[in-house]
Amino acid sequence: DGGITQSPKYLFRKEGQNVTLSCEQNLNHDAMYWYRQDPGQGLRLIYYSQIVNDFQKGDIAEGYSVSREKKESFPLTVTSAQKNPTAFYLCASSIGGGLYNEQFFGPGTRLTVL
Amino acid sequence: AQKVTQAQTEISVVEKEDVTLDCVYETRDTTYYLFWYKQPPSGELVFLIRRNSFDEQNEISGRYSWNFQKSTSSFNFTITASQVVDSAVYFCAHKGGREETSGSRLTFGEGTQLTVNP
Repeated sequence: DGGITQSPKYLFRKEGQNVTLSCEQNLNHDAMYWYRQDPGQGLRLIYYSQIVNDFQKGDIAEGYSVSREKKESFPLTVTSAQKNPTAFYLCASSIGGGLYNEQFFGPGTRLTVL
Repeated sequence: AQKVTQAQTEISVVEKEDVTLDCVYETRDTTYYLFWYKQPPSGELVFLIRRNSFDEQNEISGRYSWNFQKSTSSFNFTITASQVVDSAVYFCAHKGGREETSGSRLTFGEGTQLTVNP
């Protein structure tokens, strides 16, 4: 089945450790996105990539890093510089980055930093 | 900058009631799209509808309907004869095209938690 996978669904890390969240899509989409969701809040854009080997910062990029070496993969690293990393992280993709294209979302990863 | 406001944080209804979720947006874009997404308890966002700024026709899909009014910058969502399975968080979102790089960004409202009780 085509779709977006994120693993794991739940992730626990100790404070001060970097952690990488996985996002893979087999939809042949060019654009991919990472969002953060905090309780009772909407989604905020962390990073996005419109094409392989290129990515841009979103609204809350500080403390995060990404790579886009393959079209189907867009991993997100939460570094120790991120002051409040506990949140629900959602990955999305779309055919392209244009206005018309809706984004399809993965199931999310809930990160808890102890 | 774009802004999307969903003033209703939580709504609780009894099954079979009609319910309207409000969405008001602010934008300087002349060309833009508005979206609604559903987030069930599992967490994954499900796309419901897209509407462009030049199309103010209302849309109906089964028990769902959407009312887009450019004059009031609103894009409201109505569920008719609500069911327990409609319980979820619903997000309204905006994507505008004034700047080249902003075209790919979705700006989300804070969401409305809808609970439909049996």
